[in-house]
Amino acid sequence: QKEVEQDPGPLSVPEGAIVSLNCTYSNSAFQYFMWYRQYSRKGPELLMYTYSSGNKEDGRFTAQVDKSSKYISLFIRDSQPSDSATYLCAMRSNFGNEKLTFGTGTRLTIIP
Amino acid sequence: GAGVSQSPSNKVTEKGKDVELRCDPISGHTALYWYRQSLGQGLEFLIYFQGNSAPDKSGLPSDRFSAERTGGSVSTLTIQRTQQEDSAVYLCASSLDRGNQETQYFGPGTRLLVL
Repeated sequence: QKEVEQDPGPLSVPEGAIVSLNCTYSNSAFQYFMWYRQYSRKGPELLMYTYSSGNKEDGRFTAQVDKSSKYISLFIRDSQPSDSATYLCAMRSNFGNEKLTFGTGTRLTIIP
Repeated sequence: GAGVSQSPSNKVTEKGKDVELRCDPISGHTALYWYRQSLGQGLEFLIYFQGNSAPDKSGLPSDRFSAERTGGSVSTLTIQRTQQEDSAVYLCASSLDRGNQETQYFGPGTRLLVL
């Protein structure tokens, strides 16, 4: 079993819909949680970053962390065609030189 | 300002040949990471450089893989005697320092195809 599980999709939704992307993880030591967006043939770019549990909102994007369930989510409101990309969750623990552990990514398409 | 750059953007090679992939991190970033991204797989950590410290090589899949970082800036990932399973996108990222691992800036990647 992978440390981080993410539904690969693909996920297609109509423009304007609310999108929910999720990851589950098994390592209870993870404290830092990130969402990266990766457009086709580009490198990933950091979208949201959350420490420990709770919610964080940035414009149309909301990141949620539920450490008790080992479950993180990214919500996209009023989705736009420009949101079409692969979304990768990533996380790490609070110990020293821990590298990021990534999910496999969910491919999202917003249909105009 | 300039982001992370990688070269070549695409590389096609024959099985058994050696390849070198280059990464130019953002100026002033002391931490540099190499990842491999295969179809249907997440980003697989390969190696991590932090300043003048010994690199973390724990992710290198075999001794055919090696990496150097010269002068604390440019890095080269070398794959010797390439195999077809080495075909993937190789991504480089940099961050300000070890404490800012979550703020990693990625390059566009090098797409390697081993025939």
